[in-house]
Amino acid sequence: DIVMTQSPDSLTVSLGERATINCKSSQSVLYSSNNKNYLAWYQQKPGQPPKLLIYWASTRESGVPDRFSGSGSGTDFTLTISSLQAEDVAVYYCQQYYNTPRTFGQGTKVEVK
Amino acid sequence: EVQLVESGGNLVQPGGSLRLSCSASGFTFSSYPIHWVRQAPGRGLEFVSAISSNGDSTYYADSVKGRFTISRDNSKNTLYLQMSGLRAEDTAVYFCVREFGHYEYWGQGTLVTVSS
Repeated sequence: DIVMTQSPDSLTVSLGERATINCKSSQSVLYSSNNKNYLAWYQQKPGQPPKLLIYWASTRESGVPDRFSGSGSGTDFTLTISSLQAEDVAVYYCQQYYNTPRTFGQGTKVEVK
Repeated sequence: EVQLVESGGNLVQPGGSLRLSCSASGFTFSSYPIHWVRQAPGRGLEFVSAISSNGDSTYYADSVKGRFTISRDNSKNTLYLQMSGLRAEDTAVYFCVREFGHYEYWGQGTLVTVSS
């Protein structure tokens, strides 16, 4: 199974400041035939199911604010919230869908300072 | 609007059985693989099982293999998870998820509690 490791486990950021979450996979999730990274990011607020934010490592899901962006390739990825808003307080997960079983990072909790 | 609604969660004793259902609407159910993902209280997300669009292929996490069975009835737009030999560590909210590589749509989840 591909192991996904996120850092940090938690993050406290002031409103309007940048938040950066890292995700590392134990093997590459870049599929060479189509040059796509099989990596997604989800946001989960308390009592709610996860919500898809980013797929193909950097493609924003429809309706997701443009302050959320994804980057990286191969084994190292980053989710950036450019200007943290109060409604962004949540736990964020990365996930690889390069193979099954799909695996998730352990989650990063983002809070407001 | 795509909707996935889980049901069947309950309190069950260790060693017991339970069947979860996931009712789908708003899309052509028979065209999509569907997965089950669970989340233990206060913990992260864990893949449980997957089934292909026509039901011919299934996959299970090692932690549930031999105890859980995934199935679907495309005529009823419904996904199932038959769980047996339940253990305390199976306690979790179980989500059904429409898969398109990534997980596009999630249900609200149903809580399974395994306790005596």
